[in-house]
Amino acid sequence: TQLLEQSPQFLSIQEGENLTVYCNSSSVFSSLQWYRQEPGEGPVLLVTVVTGGEVKKLKRLTFQFGDARKDSSLHITAAQPGDTGLYLCAGVSNTGKLIFGQGTTLQVKP
Amino acid sequence: DTAVSQTPKYLVTQMGNDKSIKCEQNLGHDTMYWYKQDSKKFLKIMFSYNNKELIINETVPNRFSPKSPDKAHLNLHINSLELGDSAVYFCASSQDVTGVNFGPGTRLTVT
Repeated sequence: TQLLEQSPQFLSIQEGENLTVYCNSSSVFSSLQWYRQEPGEGPVLLVTVVTGGEVKKLKRLTFQFGDARKDSSLHITAAQPGDTGLYLCAGVSNTGKLIFGQGTTLQVKP
Repeated sequence: DTAVSQTPKYLVTQMGNDKSIKCEQNLGHDTMYWYKQDSKKFLKIMFSYNNKELIINETVPNRFSPKSPDKAHLNLHINSLELGDSAVYFCASSQDVTGVNFGPGTRLTVT
């Protein structure tokens, strides 16, 4: 069974700080996706990374796919209260299923 | 608006009842899903349909029965509801594996 371990599970920081969320597995994934979920809503896709070593930037968010395609990270620069939410990584398994990590709850205090 | 929609948003019912959740997508996607999110926010796939055909059926009790009348709709019927069925259920759709569009969720509470 392919599993994705996300860390940390909870993160509470002050506005302006930087943070990194990690998504790790012992398995290879064909691609990896990051979602953000706000309370009472469904997850919203932020980015998909496909190639080992790939780096994608979305404003203050930087996503990286590990060289071996087993891990990924999300780095947020100068976090803002609007970044508060649940961040989920999800990998496409070798059977085509989307497998989710446990999520990281981020709180950014003004 | 183009989106995945599901109804109802909230569902409160007693143990033993039967209930249905409806889902529609107007994105023209071929694949639709049902996911369950538990109290710890863990999202797990339940079912996946491609062009009305069931392609993924995870280890879900057979009290849960999905039905896809056409490729834009995927409904979920649950028989004999149990306390442990309380969760948020998300319908979703995708065209390929590059990303999934989720609905707003249905919060099911079984008392």
